[in-house]
Amino acid sequence: SAVISQKPSRDICQRGTSLTIQCQVDSQVTMMFWYRQQPGQSLTLIATANQGSEATYESGFVIDKFPISRPNLTFSTLTVSNMSPEDSSIYLCSGLDWGENTEAFFGQGTRLTVV
Amino acid sequence: LAKTTQPISMDSYEGQEVNITCSHNNIATNDYITWYQQFPSQGPRFIIQGYKTKVTNEVASLFIPADRKSSTLSLPRVSLSDTAVYYCLVAPEDGGSQGNLIFGKGTKLSVKP
Repeated sequence: SAVISQKPSRDICQRGTSLTIQCQVDSQVTMMFWYRQQPGQSLTLIATANQGSEATYESGFVIDKFPISRPNLTFSTLTVSNMSPEDSSIYLCSGLDWGENTEAFFGQGTRLTVV
Repeated sequence: LAKTTQPISMDSYEGQEVNITCSHNNIATNDYITWYQQFPSQGPRFIIQGYKTKVTNEVASLFIPADRKSSTLSLPRVSLSDTAVYYCLVAPEDGGSQGNLIFGKGTKLSVKP
């Protein structure tokens, strides 16, 4: 199974600034996703990170606010731009590949607090 | 994409068998059913996946009736460490090729001593 590392694990940021979260997978994965999770709530899919092309965003999320890069099959970044306190959340990176099972692997998450 | 419905919460005691049922009435022919477990402050973790009938691994069993409109995750002899949120997902075999591995609300399982 793949191991996903996210950096930073947590951060406190000033409103109006931007934060870039890095996601590194220890093996190549076909699909990578970014999620947001409020405490006590389920995961909300932000976008699918596509290698070599623009990310595919879910309804309610836009590229200007959450630019995503995926330069190769093991790495992706999510930037939270022009942050406001409403962006305070846990951001999770996920990689998915299929073998015996179609299994998604998740990082530990980045806990973001915007003040 | 098939929507899933699960109980919001369940309580159990150590040593009991716990069954969590998920409804997915609009499941498509090429959809698989996957369950994930999430502990506080951690990302979700894959538990089990199935297409039909019964699947068993070292952690759990997954029961899927012939019509596939529901599935039941069975955790044998739970312990306190099984306290977590359990998510049922329905998606095509190629995972999120349409870019939408969607999580429902999940079931919060509380295991008491």
